[in-house]
Amino acid sequence: GAVVSQHPSRVICKSGTSVKIECRSLDFQATTMFWYRQFPKQSLMLMATSNEGSKATYEQGVEKDKFLINHASLTLSTLTVTSAHPEDSSFYICSARGSTGVYGYTFGSGTRLTVV
Amino acid sequence: DQQVKQNSPSLSVQEGRISILNCDYTNSMFDYFLWYKKYPAEGPTFLISISSIKDKNEDGRFTVFLNKSAKHLSLHIVPSQPGDSAVYFCAASVSNSGYALNFGKGTSLLVTP
Repeated sequence: GAVVSQHPSRVICKSGTSVKIECRSLDFQATTMFWYRQFPKQSLMLMATSNEGSKATYEQGVEKDKFLINHASLTLSTLTVTSAHPEDSSFYICSARGSTGVYGYTFGSGTRLTVV
Repeated sequence: DQQVKQNSPSLSVQEGRISILNCDYTNSMFDYFLWYKKYPAEGPTFLISISSIKDKNEDGRFTVFLNKSAKHLSLHIVPSQPGDSAVYFCAASVSNSGYALNFGKGTSLLVTP
């Protein structure tokens, strides 16, 4: 089945620094990747959608200059949290979608970001 | 605006019994629905899906029922096992064609021995 690898699984950074999270589709080409964040006991909230080779589409209320998304290849998307603040602490999850099938939405294992 | 709602934050079921998790949606354009299982600090794992052309889909112990007129779907797990204890998310999409998923807030299922 389809596998999506997300790294790092956990990161602690200082306020004001930037953090990059990688999402890779290991055995399929991800034409579309989605980035979600989840606060404790809340739903997964879509942040942005990215298609390979084009700019990401951000959801309302998500700062595109703060959450930089790059989808340069069909197997890799990155989310960079720039100038991180404590309120950015959250669980970030990527989802990759190939062309068809039940594995159309395969999730990474998530990244727990803590900004101190 | 939450378009997918799971109104029960938690559910406790005895091992061997049936677990029924419910989900309601408001967007009549949704035509593809999925259930995911999630453990803490992990990404969601796909369980089962159903398209709007069906009203039932079964996979082993898991069955999803869709009632389009009521905009309601449910996940049945029978028999429930302790290993089923997790948070279950209902998700919906306008189409299985690249659109992002809209998630409910999840229902935490506890299956007791």
